[in-house]
Amino acid sequence: EAGVAQSPRYKIIEKRQSVAFWCNPISGHATLYWYQQILGQGPKLLIQFQNNGVVDDSQLPKDRFSAERLKGVDSTLKIQPAKLEDSAVYLCASSRGLAGADEQFFGPGTRLTVL
Amino acid sequence: SQQGEEDPQALSIQEGENATMNCSYKTSINNLQWYRQNSGRGLVHLILIRSNEREKHSGRLRVTLDTSKKSSSLLITASRAADTASYFCATVPGNTDKLIFGTGTRLQVFP
Repeated sequence: EAGVAQSPRYKIIEKRQSVAFWCNPISGHATLYWYQQILGQGPKLLIQFQNNGVVDDSQLPKDRFSAERLKGVDSTLKIQPAKLEDSAVYLCASSRGLAGADEQFFGPGTRLTVL
Repeated sequence: SQQGEEDPQALSIQEGENATMNCSYKTSINNLQWYRQNSGRGLVHLILIRSNEREKHSGRLRVTLDTSKKSSSLLITASRAADTASYFCATVPGNTDKLIFGTGTRLQVFP
């Protein structure tokens, strides 16, 4: 089966600019996740969708980050305006069920550099 | 916040040797998962062990779980250069349905 697709793979922007990332999960996977991974650390969950509803967004900085999952398939994550500390790899993952039961499949990630 | 702490932070071994990585966590869990991350294949799921299980095997991988000590270990036997990667434990705390990753162990296997 095709894996989780993400684009772009790399993005360089100036601080205070906006950026958007796109994710297409594995077909049939109900749950979609966005993680932020800062260099040298483990991934940190930003937001979790079940179909097109938000399950958890407790660690999403809502003053600058937003995410949506239209029609329960593709998802976009936006940062507006970006800060230097947002430099990280943004990983999208999907699973058939919720995290409590199923393994997650990760995309290749988008490496964001904020100058 | 990150729940899991892996130990050691970095490990270097020769091909053919065994590698053991440990993970400690803070709260009760539904399950614990191990993931591998390298530049070639990204983040890949290795094993999921549930809170009522004590040991699981998958190929050259062996995972143990001790819920009384809130710890887990990942053993890679007969390591290969291709096992060079960062290894993360990730837990699903008992009162949530989300995965929380630890800090990772960087494994280097020399040919």
